[in-house]
Formats: sequence, structure tokens, C-alpha cells
Amino acid sequence: NAGVTQTPKFRILKIGQSMTLQCTQDMNHNYMYWYRQDPGMGLKLIYYSVGAGITDKGEVPNGYNVSRSTTEDFPLRLELAAPSQTSVYFCASSRLLGTEKLFFGSGTQLSVL
Amino acid sequence: AQTVTQSQPEMSVQEAETVTLSCTYDTSESDYYLFWYKQPPSRQMILVIRQEAYKQQNATENRFSVNFQKAAKSFSLKISDSQLGDAAMYFCAYTQGNAGNMLTFGGGTRLMVKP
Repeated sequence: NAGVTQTPKFRILKIGQSMTLQCTQDMNHNYMYWYRQDPGMGLKLIYYSVGAGITDKGEVPNGYNVSRSTTEDFPLRLELAAPSQTSVYFCASSRLLGTEKLFFGSGTQLSVL
Repeated sequence: AQTVTQSQPEMSVQEAETVTLSCTYDTSESDYYLFWYKQPPSRQMILVIRQEAYKQQNATENRFSVNFQKAAKSFSLKISDSQLGDAAMYFCAYTQGNAGNMLTFGGGTRLMVKP
């Protein structure tokens, strides 16, 4: 029972580089989310998806893109990385939309230097 | 916009004692949900307890209970018989009932448990 799996766990990027954070869940959840957590702060929603082929912006979407081609996978792409994107990124999924329990991955710590 | 405030950046408690973590929120909605999530050093967020705003009864989960004061917009977490494994960051979170796509999180409270 893997739950929500994120890769990589750590990554250092140079300014202007791009990368994709991978997220997969094995619980057959329709709803998936990407959050970022800045030091000493709570989490903020970047993007979410209510099912394969459907995505929508959250509170802080600028500089990111997502896709949802399957129920299991919800990758987050950073284009032209900036120091302001230094953060810990969490992927989560839920059986129902938001009002139920969210299952989180263990996070990706990203530094942009 | 909804806001969630945790006024205690750090708290400490003696093992086996009781501690209460504070959370206040601001909303004009009547249908919403409140959560407490625990983030241990492993970083993975774990749901501790969930409260529906329409329920007057305070939610409980084993040693964890809440004091939900809807009029005061207060949602505190009580941990009884504290254990070393309770040491973690605790986040209070809010979501609207009819558009529960986004959790709004507080800034967190770091709980230390002294043996």
C-alpha cells in the first residue's frame, strides 16, 4: 500500500532550468493536488485536478504547469526556475473533493540557486 | 478571502500531560470544514482530526479532541496523555463545503514533547 509517491525527494536547480516533479497514487482517487510549503509557512495550493484530463489553478499557479493524462499520475512542471520557487512541494490525493481526508506524499525539497 | 491563524509558533509539553494548540479562522461562509494535520520530521502530512461546521458536537479521535467554537471562529486541538511521537508541526486548515478544492492552512505550531 504505497499511497502517494513523489519523486525526486531532493533537487537543486540552476536559475532558468526546467524540471518535472512526479506524483503517482495507487488508491484510484479522482482528486489530486499540488501544494508548496515555504519555510515556516503553511501549504499553498498550486494546481488541482478533479479527474483525468481536467486541471485547474489554485492560489499560486504562476511559473508551473500540470497535466493529468491518467487517474494515477499528476506531474508538476517548473519552467524557467526562479529562486522564488525554492520550497517543499507536496502532492496529495483524496477520494472526495477537498472536504474529506487528503493523503499526502512525503514531499520534494527543491532549491533554485 | 479565508484566513487561518495559529498564534503559537512553538509549544512544549511534558510527556503524559495535556496540551492545547490554538487556531482561529475568518470566513463568512456557513458550510465549511476544519482540519488538524500533523507533519512529523518525515515531512509527510497526516490527518489528525476533522470537524464539519454544521455539527455542534466536537470531534474526537482517541487522545485528540477539538474545541470548536463556531461563533468565536475558534478551533483548538487538545492532545491528552502526550507521547514522544506527538512531537511534530501541527497545521490547522479550512475548506469551504461547496468548493472544497482548496485547503487554506495556518502557519503551523511546532510541538515539542519533553520526556
